[in-house]
Amino acid sequence: DQQVKQNSPSLSVQEGRISILNCDYTNSMFDYFLWYKKYPAEGPTFLISISSIKDKNEDGRFTVFLNKSAKHLSLHIVPSQPGDSAVYFCAASDGTDSWGKLQFGAGTQVVVTP
Amino acid sequence: EADIYQTPRYLVIGTGKKITLECSQTMGHDKMYWYQQDPGMELHLIHYSYGVNSTEKGDLSSESTVSRIRTEHFPLTLESARPSHTSQYLCASSEYTAVGGYTFGSGTRLTVV
Repeated sequence: DQQVKQNSPSLSVQEGRISILNCDYTNSMFDYFLWYKKYPAEGPTFLISISSIKDKNEDGRFTVFLNKSAKHLSLHIVPSQPGDSAVYFCAASDGTDSWGKLQFGAGTQVVVTP
Repeated sequence: EADIYQTPRYLVIGTGKKITLECSQTMGHDKMYWYQQDPGMELHLIHYSYGVNSTEKGDLSSESTVSRIRTEHFPLTLESARPSHTSQYLCASSEYTAVGGYTFGSGTRLTVV
């Protein structure tokens, strides 16, 4: 049963514009959320995270928004750059899980065009 | 410079062969994980370890086995490879999930023919 869902497999955006990536989850026990970026033939790298006690976290061009009532989070990239072309994974953690396991979505392929 | 290393990066092997995918980390992390990912699909947890001599099976059933004899080393073994094992295998480690999440290796792309 997939607990983290990224319903948009791909997104194309023009350089300089905003990229918005969406993620939905079903497990109400999730209390920490992360975004990872993955280039081909490489492992995912951590991008930004947010705790469930917050509704927004910002780091440079990247902002993550959390709507707990809707069980929805989004990642905004402003402005988008060609180097942002990658697959972005949403991940979630259940704070009661002492093993620290993460549940991942299927990813969204972002292509930034000139 | 990578702090977690996976070898080989790519492997093509015949059905029935025994293989071991290596994963080593230099960060002293207690928690280590193996994920399996097919193209366009989510990462599925297949094994994890809390420390030396601790291993558990993940959410996705896998015919592979793991061992954790040293903190830094978490190899994954397939006793008899099959075409259904063709996938990308990602190793990760973490200290505290709430701080930066996992550090991933570059992955092993396995093809069983």
